[in-house]
Amino acid sequence: EPEVTQTPSHQVTQMGQEVILRCVPISNHLYFYWYRQILGQKVEFLVSFYNNEISEKSEIFDDQFSVERPDGSNFTLKIRSTKLEDSAMYFCASTARPLNSPLHFGNGTRLTVT
Amino acid sequence: KNEVEQSPQNLTAQEGEFITINCSYSVGISALHWLQQHPGGGIVSLFMLSSGKKKHGRLIATINIQEKHSSLHITASHPRDSAVYICAVRAGTGNQFYFGTGTSLTVIP
Repeated sequence: EPEVTQTPSHQVTQMGQEVILRCVPISNHLYFYWYRQILGQKVEFLVSFYNNEISEKSEIFDDQFSVERPDGSNFTLKIRSTKLEDSAMYFCASTARPLNSPLHFGNGTRLTVT
Repeated sequence: KNEVEQSPQNLTAQEGEFITINCSYSVGISALHWLQQHPGGGIVSLFMLSSGKKKHGRLIATINIQEKHSSLHITASHPRDSAVYICAVRAGTGNQFYFGTGTSLTVIP
């Protein structure tokens, strides 16, 4: 069964550095999402992406964050000038049709900012 | 402010017991998802509901749109069902999601 893949599985970075988290959604899916989960807390929605543009974003998704689909297969989340509080597990998900199809999640990237 | 509330937060059951996890939400939704998060952190979608009831093996999910409530039932629970179960809703007006805090289930042999 096709799956969503995320790389790297674990990223350690220093405060102030930029990181790019990568995701390869399922190939025929059209809707893509990033979520984060701070250790011990609930999953939080960051952003949804459809038709090469952001369709919805949460309050968390400020100017520090950006998303891109650079080549038709990858879907990236860039975090500029990372802060300690950005340390979390970041999940990518995709779906074919939000109203009729389930979400498929990647295994997540654990980001540690030191 | 929590748009999605789950209960209980923690649940311990004996193998074979019937389990119910509840989810209430306060926003208009277009779909509700039940997710399973394993100890390693991976998330798997169990159900997506917009009305009625769905069944998959020993799992049953129901939703009452008027009451803004959903339940996830596990029949004949098994230790391998031990995980965190998360309720998430897709807000009806867009493509935003709200998540519950999860219910941590432990099934004892």
